[in-house]
Amino acid sequence: DGGITQSPKYLFRKEGQNVTLSCEQNLNHDAMYWYRQDPGQGLRLIYYSQIVNDFQKGDIAEGYSVSREKKESFPLTVTSAQKNPTAFYLCASSIGGPVRNTEAFFGQGTRLTVV
Amino acid sequence: AQSVAQPEDQVNVAEGNPLTVKCTYSVSGNPYLFWYVQYPNRGLQFLLKYITGDNLVKGSYGFEAEFNKSQTSFHLKKPSALVSDSALYFCAVRLGSNDYKLSFGAGTTVTVRA
Repeated sequence: DGGITQSPKYLFRKEGQNVTLSCEQNLNHDAMYWYRQDPGQGLRLIYYSQIVNDFQKGDIAEGYSVSREKKESFPLTVTSAQKNPTAFYLCASSIGGPVRNTEAFFGQGTRLTVV
Repeated sequence: AQSVAQPEDQVNVAEGNPLTVKCTYSVSGNPYLFWYVQYPNRGLQFLLKYITGDNLVKGSYGFEAEFNKSQTSFHLKKPSALVSDSALYFCAVRLGSNDYKLSFGAGTTVTVRA
């Protein structure tokens, strides 16, 4: 069953703690993305990766970090430097390589609440 | 820099009436344009895309979109809306270059009343 899996669905953390959100895909896609969704602000790009061992900052990368050691995995760490981490986080992937006109496929999201 | 604007936060229509959700874009080259739909607490589902060719693109669930290069717009349309079309709709753009960056608009909430 192909797709993108984000875990966990709900995550609670205390203020000041780092937390890592998991994103795994078995679609053999090269490109992967992390977005943050807040009410009324749409999807804002945090980081994206076009290929293994390479990633670029998106529009709101401050307070976040990523790694891309495997094609299938693109974990996002929300650090204590992120001032307002409570949000809905979405991971996506697309074919990548020379093909840039394909749509992205999304996971079901992780809702992070920092208390 | 590439960007997308969805000028309407909300669109309300009666069931059976035409539905239009507006999107304008700003890129320095040839864009790839996409529409997605999101239901509460879920990920996004792909509806349709414009790559090249015909300006009218047909997609899933009876939706279509019209690409207008001179107006830099890519409006989503459905001739006859259903109550089940009530959801949050996003327009997205990727510049047709070496960059895979995919930028989204702020979203438009569509409510279809019975």
